[in-house]
Amino acid sequence: SQQGEEDPQALSIQEGENATMNCSYKTSINNLQWYRQNSGRGLVHLILIRSNEREKHSGRLRVTLDTSKKSSSLLITASRAADTASYFCATDPIQGAQKLVFGQGTRLTINP
Amino acid sequence: NAGVTQTPKFQVLKTGQSMTLQCAQDMNHEYMSWYRQDPGMGLRLIHYSVGAGITDQGEVPNGYNVSRSTTEDFPLRLLSAAPSQTSVYFCASSHRTGEAGGELFFGEGSRLTVL
Repeated sequence: SQQGEEDPQALSIQEGENATMNCSYKTSINNLQWYRQNSGRGLVHLILIRSNEREKHSGRLRVTLDTSKKSSSLLITASRAADTASYFCATDPIQGAQKLVFGQGTRLTINP
Repeated sequence: NAGVTQTPKFQVLKTGQSMTLQCAQDMNHEYMSWYRQDPGMGLRLIHYSVGAGITDQGEVPNGYNVSRSTTEDFPLRLLSAAPSQTSVYFCASSHRTGEAGGELFFGEGSRLTVL
């Protein structure tokens, strides 16, 4: 069973625009992580936000976490063609720690 | 550091055959895991290990075996391949951070087709 569900499933924007992806989950968590996957490649870790944190920044990435709503969002500002990839949220549930559960991903396309 | 290395990258099997997907990491990570990725399903955890000699089942363990004799290696064995096991398999590792999961480092994947 998938813990995280992502929305939208696909997103297409123009270069320079901001991209926002959302993730909802079902159970209490230790942390939530976001990963990027380029076509045909392995996943690459982007950012981790702990359950007691509400917002975190890393370069052009901004992640928010609302544990009361069991949701998170990933914002990529000033998008570039190289940001074209699939983005996955992964939750580390308190029950079953270290068994990261991935969502189905958002396919992001940046048009030049 | 090579990171997480998976072999083979591509494999075609016939139904009923067995094979082993190899995974090695050179980061001295305690935690290692295997996921499978299918279209529209995201990644699903097959088996994981929190240290040498310790393994446990994930969400979809049936048809797969693992062992962890060393910190570096975590092979995944398909006992009798079935077409439903056609997938892309990813090995991942991380440091333990207490009871919480840490950042996963992924291999490049092994694409398996079962005919």
